[in-house]
Order: sequence, then C-alpha cells, then structure tokens
Amino acid sequence: DAKTTQPPSMDCAEGRAANLPCNHSTISGNEYVYWYRQIHSQGPQYIIHGLKNNETNEMASLIITEDRKSSTLILPHATLRDTAVYYCIVRVVGTNAGKSTFGDGTTLTVKP
Amino acid sequence: DAGVIQSPRHEVTEMGQEVTLRCKPISGHNSLFWYRQTMMRGLELLIYFNNNVPIDDSGMPEDRFSAKMPNASFSTLKIQPSEPRDSAVYFCASSPGLAVFNEQFFGPGTRLTVL
Repeated sequence: DAKTTQPPSMDCAEGRAANLPCNHSTISGNEYVYWYRQIHSQGPQYIIHGLKNNETNEMASLIITEDRKSSTLILPHATLRDTAVYYCIVRVVGTNAGKSTFGDGTTLTVKP
Repeated sequence: DAGVIQSPRHEVTEMGQEVTLRCKPISGHNSLFWYRQTMMRGLELLIYFNNNVPIDDSGMPEDRFSAKMPNASFSTLKIQPSEPRDSAVYFCASSPGLAVFNEQFFGPGTRLTVL
C-alpha cells in the first residue's frame, strides 16, 4: 500500500471549514483513499473514501487531485466535537482489505 | 445493534501473568480484526480473521501473543506471559467482509497496563 504524508497538527476555528491535506504521491491506479478519525479514548471511525472523483457524505467532503497524488478532507463547519486525530490511508479494496496502515495522522484541534 | 463489544475495558496486571482480552463483533459481520495502539508505534494491525479463520497474523509481535475465534460471535486475544511493554490500548474491529474496508467498525478498546 502507498505511503501517506500528513501534517502532524492543525487548528481550526469553530464553525469554519477544516481542510486536512494528505500526500500520497506513490498511489497506484487501483488504490482508494480512505479517511478515518479517532476521537480521544475511542476507536477509529470511518469518514469517507474515494478513488478519483470527489466524494461527499453527511460527515465530510473528499477532494482528490486529478493526478491522485494528494487529497483534502473537508469538514465544512467544524465543531468542537470534531477535535480528533484524522488518518489518511490508501489501499486496494480486495481480499487483503484487512491489511491497513494508519500512520501518524493529523491532530485537528477545533477552537471556540 | 450494540456495536463491537470488548471486555474488559481496563485491565491492570503484573508482569508474567496471563491476560485475555475478549471481543464480540457486530452480528452478521464476517471479518474481525485485532489492533494495538501505543504512543510510540501508533495503531498496528495484529491479526485478522475471515469467517472465523485467521487470515494474516504477521502483525502479532511475539509467540506470547495468540488469538482465537471459536465462533462468529466471539474472539479472544491472549498474552502469556505479559510484559510491561505490552501495555497499550487493544482495539477489536469487525467488518461485513474483507472487501468492505470502509465498514470496519471499532470497539471501545481495552486499556491494558502491565506492571
């Protein structure tokens, strides 16, 4: 699976959009981009995933560059409860789906 | 559904003792995963099962660690003998299947402290 690079930490004002970047320059054509988050003392929680088209769900939007070497997770109106570690993961969907590397992630702090 | 259930939530034991962590996956999920999380190493996948069969245990750190899944609704992770460096939060997760990574649901974790 391709390696990802994320900034270690970011701050965001409550109510503003939080834009979390992820670099995955070695991503291959059949690898998806996944985002999970982990709120303090809880297990990781799935947020969103995509292959090459931008995706949106009730939690967030995922913007993937045309060359697929980077992506941005957007929380449109961050709240204090969005303070968490956000993990960007790239991997192939298939029978090996269990093998996942979460990396260090980005610690997002939403401030009032 | 109650989600993935793990027990105990906290465990404090002394070095050399046997520790057994338990997990009940979400009903109907065919895949189960054991992770370990520490400050130093982050979140590591230890082993995963599909249809109660261990698929990959390459993440298990040592022979002191073993995992079983006797049926579709129960799994255990055992450490024998335990050591202080095993102190960590251990997460269990389940998924409808191995191909559906996005639906991997995590339990609340077991915080293990080995003195």
